[in-house]
Amino acid sequence: GDSVTQMEGPVTLSEEAFLTINCTYTATGYPSLFWYVQYPGEGLQLLLKATKADDKGSNKGFEATYRKETTSFHLEKGSVQVSDSAVYFCALSGQAGTALIFGKGTTLSVSS
Amino acid sequence: GAVVSQHPSRVICKSGTSVKIECRSLDFQATTMFWYRQFPKQSLMLMATSNEGSKATYEQGVEKDKFLINHASLTLSTLTVTSAHPEDSSFYICSARGLAGYERDTQYFGPGTRLTVL
Repeated sequence: GDSVTQMEGPVTLSEEAFLTINCTYTATGYPSLFWYVQYPGEGLQLLLKATKADDKGSNKGFEATYRKETTSFHLEKGSVQVSDSAVYFCALSGQAGTALIFGKGTTLSVSS
Repeated sequence: GAVVSQHPSRVICKSGTSVKIECRSLDFQATTMFWYRQFPKQSLMLMATSNEGSKATYEQGVEKDKFLINHASLTLSTLTVTSAHPEDSSFYICSARGLAGYERDTQYFGPGTRLTVL
């Protein structure tokens, strides 16, 4: 079945460092891909999405490119801030009518 | 746009009582809503899929008689935890999927409800 694998955390960075969180997927068909962010004690917020191969989703300095050849959707940010500390979830849309399939989440901790 | 609310945000109840959690899509219609449970430092566990006007579909291992789900309209779904026990204490999160077009495959999440059963 469809699945999402993302890098284990926690990821600890200093402010202004470059961020990469790896995400790969297994899917039949052509799923949409998502990154969600969860701040402590809150629900998930949609960070960005891409609906087809070679699409780049971007938001708040984060970006990810839908790579069908490598089945990847890695999240990147050029310069992280302390306020980016959160848990990041990669997800893909499953079959029509079903829930998103999530990775296990990666905790990012940014220190000043 | 695409805002989902949950109420209450926190609830503390005594063992044996029932608790109702509401999930509303505020500015869009959602034919499908999802209920998740999240344990500390873990990913989301899908509990059930709720379609407006029909019975919810529960994931394996989730007791349908304990976690009652009602999806009476295109903007409201409720989760009732019946006869709650301390092991039901958790963070419950709902999400709603947009009805059509570009947002049709995107799930928007509520802020979550922290349930503590004493």
